[in-house]
Amino acid sequence: QQQVKQSPQSLIVQKGGISIINCAYENTAFDYFPWYQQFPGKGPALLIAIRPDVSEKKEGRFTISFNKSAKQFSLHIMDSQPGDSATYFCAAISNQAGTALIFGKGTTLSVSS
Amino acid sequence: EAGVVQSPRYKIIEKKQPVAFWCNPISGHNTLYWYRQNLGQGPELLIRYENEEAVDDSQLPKDRFSAERLKGVDSTLKIQPAELGDSAVYLCASSPAGYTEAFFGQGTRLTVV
Repeated sequence: QQQVKQSPQSLIVQKGGISIINCAYENTAFDYFPWYQQFPGKGPALLIAIRPDVSEKKEGRFTISFNKSAKQFSLHIMDSQPGDSATYFCAAISNQAGTALIFGKGTTLSVSS
Repeated sequence: EAGVVQSPRYKIIEKKQPVAFWCNPISGHNTLYWYRQNLGQGPELLIRYENEEAVDDSQLPKDRFSAERLKGVDSTLKIQPAELGDSAVYLCASSPAGYTEAFFGQGTRLTVV
């Protein structure tokens, strides 16, 4: 049972455009939702994260939108740049349950110049 | 500050042979994770340590996989014997006690032929 569903699997965006990646979760015990960025040959690195008590969090060009009732959250990358080309993973965790991060399957983003 | 260090970076072995991966977490990080990342997929937890104790090994295939974390610092993940389906990237991550985000190493890419 996949607890975190991520879409799309791949995404091509023109330089300067907006990249949008969506995730949906099932477990209502999840209380922390990070996004990780992974470049080829590297491990995932934390990009931005949100808790369910807020509906949006923005850091620079990256924004997380969170819809608790729909159990969905998304990553928006504004003014996408070629250097943003990477694989993005959403994840979820229940801090109360003391578990580990559960990852989505990833979205490969290509930003064309 | 040094990040999570893993070795080797790459390993090619024949099926049925043993293999071991080593991880040195960030200094002071109590929690250590081993994840497996199959091609085109997100990381999946194999085992989580709190200091020396394996607190979650429910996803570790114990018939062939074993792990240890001596003195609550470095960790070793072993596969014996390896199967073709074990080909993947094995990621080690660590985090401070009570901290949600995990900091990942670069991973070991295992190819079983």
